[in-house]
Amino acid sequence: GESVGLHLPTLSVQEGDNSIINCAYSNSASDYFIWYKQESGKGPQFIIDIRSNMDKRQGQRVTVLLNKTVKHLSLQIAATQPGDSAVYFCAENLNNDMRFGAGTRLTVKP
Amino acid sequence: DARVTQTPRHKVTEMGQEVTMRCQPILGHNTVFWYRQTMMQGLELLAYFRNRAPLDDSGMPKDRFSAEMPDATLATLKIQPSEPRDSAVYFCASGLARQSSTGELFFGEGSRLTVL
Repeated sequence: GESVGLHLPTLSVQEGDNSIINCAYSNSASDYFIWYKQESGKGPQFIIDIRSNMDKRQGQRVTVLLNKTVKHLSLQIAATQPGDSAVYFCAENLNNDMRFGAGTRLTVKP
Repeated sequence: DARVTQTPRHKVTEMGQEVTMRCQPILGHNTVFWYRQTMMQGLELLAYFRNRAPLDDSGMPKDRFSAEMPDATLATLKIQPSEPRDSAVYFCASGLARQSSTGELFFGEGSRLTVL
């Protein structure tokens, strides 16, 4: 797999703590949002999605919050583990166009 | 198991040469996206197709880039002539879109292009 050494905002957390990754999206008409995780050397992988008619959605250890008023999306990871270390991207969808944010690098300290 | 397959995985070429990257989307998916990932720009959308028809290629430099889907099992991204600034990792992703939503995208492992 491939990846690039991105110069990104970085979040460093202790193993076992909760992580919150934030994203500002650009288009108020976007109707669907996805969080992706990209591990070193791999393509992005789906984590969780949310539609614009919702403000919260929970998965296994992850929660996505959507605030349409300020065009803000967040990803919460509970009990962060070393395997969560990766770059996280939010993506917004509008009329079949899926565009990605800049990404945040999460580092989990043992 | 179903996956998006990209070739080549690595390509080193000289400036001015033609480069063709290929993608086999997951069988049954009706959308294909091409993204470019660089250190400075993150994931840039280059082009996408729905049911093999190009919906948007506004992210591509038109003078040198072209994207096609000759059939439902193959998407190609061509650069001619290539330039050093094209050096990046190129990702293909496919999904099953319904109405106006792409749904989840499944990414290939990328093609790393280096143009000398």
